[in-house]
Amino acid sequence: DIQMTQSPSSLSASVGDRVTITCRASQSISSYLNWYQQKPGKAPKLLIYAASSLQSGVPSRFSGSGSGTDFTLTISSLQPEDFATYYCQQSYSTTFTFGPGTKVDIK
Amino acid sequence: EVQLLESGGGLVQPGGSLRLSCAASGFTFSSYAMSWVRQAPGKGLEWVSAISGSGGSTYYADSVKGRFTISRDNSKNTLYLQMNSLRAEDTAVYYCAKDSRIAVAGRSYYYFDYWGQGTLVTVSS
Repeated sequence: DIQMTQSPSSLSASVGDRVTITCRASQSISSYLNWYQQKPGKAPKLLIYAASSLQSGVPSRFSGSGSGTDFTLTISSLQPEDFATYYCQQSYSTTFTFGPGTKVDIK
Repeated sequence: EVQLLESGGGLVQPGGSLRLSCAASGFTFSSYAMSWVRQAPGKGLEWVSAISGSGGSTYYADSVKGRFTISRDNSKNTLYLQMNSLRAEDTAVYYCAKDSRIAVAGRSYYYFDYWGQGTLVTVSS
């Protein structure tokens, strides 16, 4: 199975900060990488698919980049509603796997 | 509007069985693969199983292979997860998710664009 790692596991940031989260795959997955946001007690929400495509309705402050094994989710200017946990997920293999998550909280 | 509504969760003893259902509406159910994803209390997301739109292809995580069976009834727009030989480590909120696909330059990219609200399964004596 393809293993996914994320860094950092958590971070504290202020409103208006630029935030970057990294995701790494144990083997090359081309651009088969998605990002999700999850708030406590809620289902995950798709933010980015195919590494860099913004899901409809998601604010443009979210962006994704990368290919192969290294990927990045960037929030250009953190907003109060962005405090949440973020997960990457690979869809390269037929057995999908998620990263362990990155919790973004208020500094 | 796409809606996914899970049901069937509850408390079950170790070694027991449970069947989860996910009722779908707002899209052509048979045209989309579907997945189950779970989340243990305080933990991250774990993909569990997927099934093609026709039901002809199924996929499982190693952690549930041989114990769980995914199926669907396209006439009822419903997805199922039959869970047998349940263990304490299967305790989690189980989400059903719609698998969407986009084709770009000859490649197909899959992602979960809609999720249900989840149903809690607790395995405990």
